[in-house]
Amino acid sequence: DAKTTQPNSMESNEEEPVHLPCNHSTISGTDYIHWYRQLPSQGPEYVIHGLTSNVNNRMASLAIAEDRKSSTLILHRATLRDAAVYYCILRDVARGSTLGRLYFGRGTQLTVWP
Amino acid sequence: NAGVTQTPKFRVLKTGQSMTLLCAQDMNHEYMYWYRQDPGMGLRLIHYSVGEGTTAKGEVPDGYNVSRLKKQNFLLGLESAAPSQTSVYFCASTVLGLGEQYFGPGTRLTVT
Repeated sequence: DAKTTQPNSMESNEEEPVHLPCNHSTISGTDYIHWYRQLPSQGPEYVIHGLTSNVNNRMASLAIAEDRKSSTLILHRATLRDAAVYYCILRDVARGSTLGRLYFGRGTQLTVWP
Repeated sequence: NAGVTQTPKFRVLKTGQSMTLLCAQDMNHEYMYWYRQDPGMGLRLIHYSVGEGTTAKGEVPDGYNVSRLKKQNFLLGLESAAPSQTSVYFCASTVLGLGEQYFGPGTRLTVT
């Protein structure tokens, strides 16, 4: 599976937008970009995913570069509850991906200051 | 609708003891997974199941066994616990392989 690169940590002030970057220069045409987050002492939770076009949902937006070698998770107004580790994960729909396995890196630790 | 539940929440074992972790989901999901998470690390897949009666190895299966006798339950067994198995264990499920994965709250296991 293609790997992703994320900064170890980022900080934001409450109610400000947060842009969490992810590099995936070896992404294949059949890789979906998924984001999960893990709040302290909890299991991971799904945030958003996309293939080529930008995506929005109630939690966040996902901006995907035209060449798909990078993406950015956007939290429009950070709250204290958004403090978590954010994981950027590629899921290949072609190669054995029906097994649904998620490959987690270390993610980005987001700190939100009041 | 409880989602994914895990039993127990905490456990301390002595080296060589055995135990079983239970994962239950009430969403009628076909796929279930067991992950472990060590401090400061991402999750690693131990074993998974794509349906009742089927199981397969993940990235780090050594020292663990699993069973999926009922669709809603996925059991993770440690036959002879070792300190290296001290970790937080997460169970997850999904209706289809590519769907959103739903995670349980985790079981914190310490082996002394």
